[in-house]
Amino acid sequence: GNSVTQMEGPVTLSEEAFLTINCTYTATGYPSLFWYVQYPGEGLQLLLKATKADDKGSNKGFEATYRKETTSFHLEKGSVQVSDSAVYFCALSKSSGSNYKLTFGKGTLLTVNP
Amino acid sequence: EAGVAQSPRYKIIEKRQSVAFWCNPISGHATLYWYQQILGQGPKLLIQFQNNGVVDDSQLPKDRFSAERLKGVDSTLKIQPAKLEDSAVYLCASSLEGKGTEAFFGQGTRLTVV
Repeated sequence: GNSVTQMEGPVTLSEEAFLTINCTYTATGYPSLFWYVQYPGEGLQLLLKATKADDKGSNKGFEATYRKETTSFHLEKGSVQVSDSAVYFCALSKSSGSNYKLTFGKGTLLTVNP
Repeated sequence: EAGVAQSPRYKIIEKRQSVAFWCNPISGHATLYWYQQILGQGPKLLIQFQNNGVVDDSQLPKDRFSAERLKGVDSTLKIQPAKLEDSAVYLCASSLEGKGTEAFFGQGTRLTVV
């Protein structure tokens, strides 16, 4: 079946540090890939997405590139801020018949210190 | 545009009691999901509706969990009887149909079973 594996947390960084959160997936064909973010006390919200190989999703300074050859979708940001502290989830969406099923990784807690 | 509404936000019950959660998706969204998020883990899909039909309930513990989506709009998720291990956040999400479409999440219901 489809699955998503992301790096274990927690990740603790100082402000302005470079961030990478690794994500790899297992799925047949060409799923769509997503990063969702969950700020403290809030629901999940979409951060960025990519729907085909070599696409780059970007938002709020975060980027991730859909790499079919390595089945990866790593999240990066060049300079993190305290406000980026949250839990980040990698996810994939894959068709099952005429429907699309959304599968999540376990999440990575990021804490950014001033 | 109004988001996904869920109620209640918090619920504390004793084991063996029953509980129900309500979700109102974004207007026009055909797909509705219920996820269970246990502390420190990623969301796990319990059930997925397409309009008012079930398209995936493979991970729903059907001996105690039930869900319905009336007229293809609102949905309720029920647990009867609850167990201690049901303590989690229950997330409702909705989306349009099609490849790469984003799922929009409600704030969730935090259930504590004591």
